[in-house]
Amino acid sequence: EPEVTQTPSHQVTQMGQEVILRCVPISNHLYFYWYRQILGQKVEFLVSFYNNEISEKSEIFDDQFSVERPDGSNFTLKIRSTKLEDSAMYFCASNRQGRRTGELFFGEGSRLTVL
Amino acid sequence: KQEVTQIPAALSVPEGENLVLNCSFTDSAIYNLQWFRQDPGKGLTSLLLIQSSQREQTSGRLNASLDKSSGRSTLYIAASQPGDSATYLCVLGGSEKLVFGKGTKLTVNP
Repeated sequence: EPEVTQTPSHQVTQMGQEVILRCVPISNHLYFYWYRQILGQKVEFLVSFYNNEISEKSEIFDDQFSVERPDGSNFTLKIRSTKLEDSAMYFCASNRQGRRTGELFFGEGSRLTVL
Repeated sequence: KQEVTQIPAALSVPEGENLVLNCSFTDSAIYNLQWFRQDPGKGLTSLLLIQSSQREQTSGRLNASLDKSSGRSTLYIAASQPGDSATYLCVLGGSEKLVFGKGTKLTVNP
């Protein structure tokens, strides 16, 4: 069964460093998302991406963050100059039809620990 | 602004019991509602997706209902098993971004 895959599963970084989290969405999906979940809290929306551009972003997704689809399969989240409060589980998700009708599929997540 | 509430926050039941998890929302103008399970430290696994025009969906021992007029959805789990232990999340798709509930943590005791 097709699935969303994410790498790395866990990354530890020093405050101020740049981090790139990678995702391979399901191949025939058209809409891609990043979410994060701080330990013990709700899943929070970061950004959605469609047709090679950001379609929506939350207030969390400030200039520190960027997304890219460098080729036909990968979807990356870059966090510049990481802060302690960026420590969280970051989930990539994709669906075929967008949030209006489509079933959303999540990856297993990348745990980011900022020291 | 859409608000999603899941009650109870945690639930512990003996194996074999039938149970109901609740999700309520404030804005009935939704496109769909999706139930997920999340195991500790893991991603979210889709269980059931209900479109706004539907009233329920079933998959195996799971049945999800949707009542837009009252702003409620329920997830019914029949004959619960220890492997059902997880956090269950209700997620609403509407005109704005997807809105997540905080989840119900279910523990099924052998």
